[in-house]
Amino acid sequence: AQSVTQLDSHVSVSEGTPVLLRCNYSSSYSPSLFWYVQHPNKGLQLLLKYTSAATLVKGINGFEAEFKKSETSFHLTKPSAHMSDAAEYFCGTSSNTGKLIFGQGTTLQVKP
Amino acid sequence: DAGVTQSPTHLIKTRGQQVTLRCSPKSGHDTVSWYQQALGQGPQFIFQYYEEEERQRGNFPDRFSGHQFPNYSSELNVNALLLGDSALYLCASSPGQGGLNTQYFGPGTRLTVL
Repeated sequence: AQSVTQLDSHVSVSEGTPVLLRCNYSSSYSPSLFWYVQHPNKGLQLLLKYTSAATLVKGINGFEAEFKKSETSFHLTKPSAHMSDAAEYFCGTSSNTGKLIFGQGTTLQVKP
Repeated sequence: DAGVTQSPTHLIKTRGQQVTLRCSPKSGHDTVSWYQQALGQGPQFIFQYYEEEERQRGNFPDRFSGHQFPNYSSELNVNALLLGDSALYLCASSPGQGGLNTQYFGPGTRLTVL
């Protein structure tokens, strides 16, 4: 069965410092992986998606993620955090039929 | 393009009542999926509609049902509401069922059951 685990429920960084949000996946075949962001009282917005093309995936707002099969990881990074990045981030995977399976979420706090 | 829209924004019901939530997909999308997001949790898949039929279903009881109309819009119905049904209900649309198709989410409907 497919699943994802977000390793940190809460991450706090200072503005201008790097962001690392960790995600591990479990899948018996080559997965489709994604990161969504959810700002307070908003729906989910897709940051980036991996679909077995390049292992380094670039997304919106300066975010990127690297698919590492040997480590079953798909960590999200950003070189320099901005105050507007404060939000809830969800890692997930998709079944072949389009069912999305989400992790529990990581709250990113950005301190001035 | 208006994107995915949902109505109502907020809803308050009492236990035992029934509720209907509505979703209009993004232009050009024919597949609608519904998710339940409890407070502090990730979204959980309820079901997916394509060509006016329920194509797959998550681990939700029969109290949760849905419908898709010829214009691809969709409804989610929940009967005999329980306190535990309080959550943000998210609708997502995509151009087809496949896992490679990006799902675009609406802003959600916040349901509170008292």
